[in-house]
Amino acid sequence: NAGVTQTPKFQVLKTGQSMTLQCAQDMNHNSMYWYRQDPGMGLRLIYYSASEGTTDKGEVPNGYNVSRLNKREFSLRLESAAPSQTSVYFCASRSQGGAQYFGPGTRLTVL
Amino acid sequence: KNEVEQSPQNLTAQEGEFITINCSYSVGISALHWLQQHPGGGIVSLFMLSSGKKKHGRLIATINIQEKHSSLHITASHPRDSAVYICAVRGSRETSGSRLTFGEGTQLTVNP
Repeated sequence: NAGVTQTPKFQVLKTGQSMTLQCAQDMNHNSMYWYRQDPGMGLRLIYYSASEGTTDKGEVPNGYNVSRLNKREFSLRLESAAPSQTSVYFCASRSQGGAQYFGPGTRLTVL
Repeated sequence: KNEVEQSPQNLTAQEGEFITINCSYSVGISALHWLQQHPGGGIVSLFMLSSGKKKHGRLIATINIQEKHSSLHITASHPRDSAVYICAVRGSRETSGSRLTFGEGTQLTVNP
């Protein structure tokens, strides 16, 4: 039981490049989330998926797209990376009882 | 003003001390979470509570719904407790996706 996994762990991009952050959970959870964490700020929700086949915007969705590929996988795409997207990205899933499980994070730098 | 406020922002303690971290929120909630973020960056859920008190080992979490306040206590603190502690709330109006709103975190350092 791996919990929530994320790839890659680290990434450096140039402005304008695109990339996809991958997330998968093996706990059969319906709800999955993408957050970003910046210094001096709490975790902020980018997008979430309440169930397979649905996605909704969170607090800071601009510049991002998501895909809930199946119940296990929820990916986050940056189409044209900007320096303001330099951050640490966390994927999470939620159990039926409400507990949150976080992935290890992806540290992204956009030059 | 943020919906979730934590205090203090930074806390330094000596090993063995009793520690309290506070969380105040301004919205009606259905649940409050306490999370721990290790120096390496990983985030672990410590507690989820909607009333009363929960205890796990040396950690105790309490919540007062009327006062919109929660505390996380650590008894007999140890250097391995050094981490960022994050409070997060799920609003009572959230029916889809159960989104959380997070505090900025409290950086705890326990010195030997």
